Parts: sequence; structure tokens; C-alpha cells
Amino acid sequence: DSGVTQTPKHLITATGQRVTLRCSPRSGDLSVYWYQQSLDQGLQFLIQYYNGEERAKGNILERFSAQQFPDLHSELNLSSLELGDSALYFCASSVASSGANVLTFGAGSRLTVL
Amino acid sequence: QKEVEQDPGPLSVPEGAIVSLNCTYSNSAFQYFMWYRQYSRKGPELLMYTYSSGNKEDGRFTAQVDKSSKYISLFIRDSQPSDSATYLCAMSASNQGGKLIFGQGTELSVKP
Repeated sequence: DSGVTQTPKHLITATGQRVTLRCSPRSGDLSVYWYQQSLDQGLQFLIQYYNGEERAKGNILERFSAQQFPDLHSELNLSSLELGDSALYFCASSVASSGANVLTFGAGSRLTVL
Repeated sequence: QKEVEQDPGPLSVPEGAIVSLNCTYSNSAFQYFMWYRQYSRKGPELLMYTYSSGNKEDGRFTAQVDKSSKYISLFIRDSQPSDSATYLCAMSASNQGGKLIFGQGTELSVKP
């Protein structure tokens, strides 16, 4: 157990729907990162939050949004889902937000869009 | 062109072989270099962490960074079937908030 908790583990939904993925970081970690992993794209950085504030953004679609709450857990919202959104979504956390950080990953949420 | 390039393999070796995994990168601002191991689409776990150029050894694993060539390597000695996994290189720069940029990952299979 890495200490990063992600729910749900698996999610099957239909095109056009909206889902929310949840992440609880390791105790003491202030930064949360979201990554998308698909078979042909590898691990793609989506977005980072540090202590409630958005810190960095990657190639995150406008249909996707995220936030980090005062208790430091984070949610990734995916809307108007398309077949191509099917992927593993990982959350990672770290103590701070510098390049020297080591990211600890959760077990992932597997999203299937039918 | 991707910032980090890694041959996806797959790579198959016999047990006991020395494995060499490599990545190249284009962003000269990268200073922190890591190798993560991922089993069967589970969460990646940190294997090695290196700052700037040089070598680092941890048991059967050795990480090398050559910043002048923008090239990093991971060597696995005496490979075991339990080493079968996908190995991802990852890098970050000091001015990018801590996000890691990953390579595609190399799928390794060690045959008994």
C-alpha cells in the first residue's frame, strides 16, 4: 500500500456521461498530481495541485476539471465522456512541489467508456 | 517530438542476464531523473532516483545519467523473473512545479 488512495478502482460508463475520480494523498503530502495512462500514450500529465491551488497544467481536455479540497483530497471530473477517454487514471502525491520531489502513485482508477 | 523517448519493447531476456534500459530526452532543464517500475497496469513505484549526471547503485540496479548526451540508463544485473514489469523513466526540472515527464515505458520479460 503506497498510502495514496484512489476510488473507484474500476468504473464502466457510457459515452456522454460524467464521472468523478477521487484521490486521498499520503499523510503529510501537500501536492497532488493526476496522470492518464492509455496503451498508446503512456503516462500523460494532466494537472497538479499544491495545498489547494492549481500549480501546473498539462494536456488536460476542457471536458476535464479537477480540484483539491481543504483536507487535501482531490477529485478529477470527466464530463461528456468519449470512447477515447477509456484509460487508467493515476493520482500521485508528494510533500512539496519542487523538481526534487519523489511522486508516490496510487493504484489507479480504470475507466471504461462504452 | 516527445520530450522523453523510450523504446517500448517488449524486451525478453533469460534469467540471470544483464538488462539495459534507456531513455533520451530533449529538455536540457531536466535535473532529476527517476526510474519507476509498474507491474501489470498497477501504480508505478519508484525504483531509482538520481540528481544530475552520474551513477547510482542499489543492489542489482544501477542508474546512469549523462546530461551532456541527454541520455539515461538503468542496468539490472542477475535479472530475475520477478523483475518482469514495465520500466518507466521519468524526469523533472526545478522550475516545473515537481511534475514528472514520463517515457513510454519498456516492457521487460525475464524468462526462467
